[in-house]
Amino acid sequence: QVQLQESGPGLVKSSETLSLTCSVSGDSISSDIYYWSWIRQPAGKGLEWIGRVSASGSTNYNPSLNSRVTISVDTSKSHFSLKLNSVTAADTAVYYCASWNAVPRYFDYWGQGAPVTVSS
Amino acid sequence: DIQMTQSPSSLSASVGDSVTITCRASQSIRIYLNWYQQKPGKAPKLLIYTASSLQRGVPSRFSGTGSGTDFTLTISSLQPEDFATYYCQQSYTTPLTFGGGTKVEIK
Repeated sequence: QVQLQESGPGLVKSSETLSLTCSVSGDSISSDIYYWSWIRQPAGKGLEWIGRVSASGSTNYNPSLNSRVTISVDTSKSHFSLKLNSVTAADTAVYYCASWNAVPRYFDYWGQGAPVTVSS
Repeated sequence: DIQMTQSPSSLSASVGDSVTITCRASQSIRIYLNWYQQKPGKAPKLLIYTASSLQRGVPSRFSGTGSGTDFTLTISSLQPEDFATYYCQQSYTTPLTFGGGTKVEIK
């Protein structure tokens, strides 16, 4: 059983960098069956996959955000992080961290979600 | 990117009804299709993976079928706790993509 908890500022100014951290407990962040992922959801809209990182630091990003996003992992602190730079109002959303189980290929555990508003 | 199209975008049904939601992929994704349920203010919850496998703890009234480009989620006897939004998601390749969602409302 994995528990995930997002943390970070709920308000970010336009053109600045959104930074969130997801703390992982209950299972090892170093497990080789998981990719640690970020997904976002604007209010009243659908889900968008942002990207993922493995315990070794290998990453995959959504090309729609590729140039602005960085996902990293710190296994010593049992957390992984999201940085999204040059944010605009379009980046206002609830940001979820989730575990991608690579063998059956699904998101099995999710954080509760962190609402982030980009202000001008 | 693989586009996932769900229909309908919303539906109204009564407790005890059987409902079917459709998801179509823009190219073949074999059986790599997952279904999630999301309630307001909550994270999505996995229901079905690889098109037809029921996740542990999910009631058997939920079922999934399909392969290639066309998939369905069926709820055989709608219960009050099933009123929610349902999303399909392809796990065939990155970028991972979701359908637009189907909101199941009480008639």
